[in-house]
Amino acid sequence: DSGVTQTPKHLITATGQRVTLRCSPRSGDLSVYWYQQSLDQGLQFLIQYYNGEERAKGNILERFSAQQFPDLHSELNLSSLELGDSALYFCASSVQGARTDTQYFGPGTRLTVL
Amino acid sequence: AQKVTQAQTEISVVEKEDVTLDCVYETRDTTYYLFWYKQPPSGELVFLIRRNSFDEQNEISGRYSWNFQKSTSSFNFTITASQVVDSAVYFCALYSGAGSYQLTFGKGTKLSVIP
Repeated sequence: DSGVTQTPKHLITATGQRVTLRCSPRSGDLSVYWYQQSLDQGLQFLIQYYNGEERAKGNILERFSAQQFPDLHSELNLSSLELGDSALYFCASSVQGARTDTQYFGPGTRLTVL
Repeated sequence: AQKVTQAQTEISVVEKEDVTLDCVYETRDTTYYLFWYKQPPSGELVFLIRRNSFDEQNEISGRYSWNFQKSTSSFNFTITASQVVDSAVYFCALYSGAGSYQLTFGKGTKLSVIP
C-alpha cells in the first residue's frame, strides 16, 4: 500500500458524460500527478500540481481539467467523454514534486466509457 | 527530449529461472533519475527502485538486482529464482530535464512465470 488513495476504483459511464476522479496523496506529500494508462498510448503524464498550484502539463486534453485543494487532495475532471477516454487513470504523489523525488502511485481508477 | 525503450514486450520463464528485463534510455541531461515500477495483475503501480545518474553502483535487494551502465544508457533489472508472484508488467521510467516534472515510461515488459 503506497498511501495514495483514489476513488472510485471503477467507473462506467456513457459518451458525452462528465466524471470526477478523486485522489488523496500520501501524508506529507505536497505534489500530485495524474497519469493515463491506455493500451495504445501506454502510461502518459497528464498534469502535476504542487501545493495547490499547477506546475506542469503533459498530454492533457482540453476536455480534461484538474485541481488541487487546500487539503492537498486532487480531482481530475473529464468531460464530453469519448470511447477513447476509456483507460486506467493513476494519481501519484511526491514530497516536493522535484526530480529528486520518487512518485508513489495510487491503485488507479478504471474508467469505461460505453 | 527523453525516451525509454523496453524492447521485450513479453517474456515467459519457468519458475526458479533467472530473468533479465532490459531498459535503454535516451536523455541529453547529465543529471537524471531512473526507476523501475511493477504492475501486478491487480493493476496498481508499485515502486521498486530509483537510481541517480551520478551513482552507477549496482544494487542487489533480495532476489532483485539492477545493472546501471551509463556507457550503454541501460538500466537492466534481473530477478533470480523467479516465482509465480513475480508475474507482472514491469515498467522502466526516466525523470530528467531541469524543467521537467514528469516521468517518461517505457511500454513495459510483461513477465509470466510458469509454475
